[in-house]
Amino acid sequence: NAGVTQTPKFRILKIGQSMTLQCTQDMNHNYMYWYRQDPGMGLKLIYYSVGAGITDKGEVPNGYNVSRSTTEDFPLRLELAAPSQTSVYFCASMVGTSYTFGSGTRLTVV
Amino acid sequence: GENVEQHPSTLSVQEGDSAVIKCTYSDSASNYFPWYKQELGKRPQLIIDIRSNVGEKKDQRIAVTLNKTAKHFSLHITETQPEDSAVYFCAASNNFGNEKLTFGTGTRLTIIP
Repeated sequence: NAGVTQTPKFRILKIGQSMTLQCTQDMNHNYMYWYRQDPGMGLKLIYYSVGAGITDKGEVPNGYNVSRSTTEDFPLRLELAAPSQTSVYFCASMVGTSYTFGSGTRLTVV
Repeated sequence: GENVEQHPSTLSVQEGDSAVIKCTYSDSASNYFPWYKQELGKRPQLIIDIRSNVGEKKDQRIAVTLNKTAKHFSLHITETQPEDSAVYFCAASNNFGNEKLTFGTGTRLTIIP
């Protein structure tokens, strides 16, 4: 039982490049979330999903896309990276009231 | 949507003293209030939570209080220790946590030996 696994841990992107942040959980949780954490700030919700095939926008969805084809996977896609997307990204899954966070992806856009 | 404000942004206390962090929320429908601790470079970890049908909850040196009328909740850490140094986040959601969490901006707590 690995919990929530995020890859990669670190990434540097050039402006305009695209990438996918991977998130996988093996706990059979229906609810999954993507948050971003800017330096010295709290976590802001980008997208979330309440089950396979269902996704919804959070507080800061612009510039991102998600998909949820399986219960286990919830990838986050950046199509045209911008410096404003430099942040630490956390994926989380939840059952009941218990959130489990991944270890994060530190993304720098230059 | 929900808005959560957290104060103070930084807090330094002598080892052994108590620390109090306060949060206010805007959505009266919010009914679940967790607190997370985040050590440097690590993921947030849940340390305690409270639901709206409870006014106070305690777990060893950590306690949380909730005032639904005033829409604020607080984290209390007693007998602070160096390992309590971290960033603490409050959060709020409705439907007893089956919905998305809205986080406060965090409090950096430093315990002075």
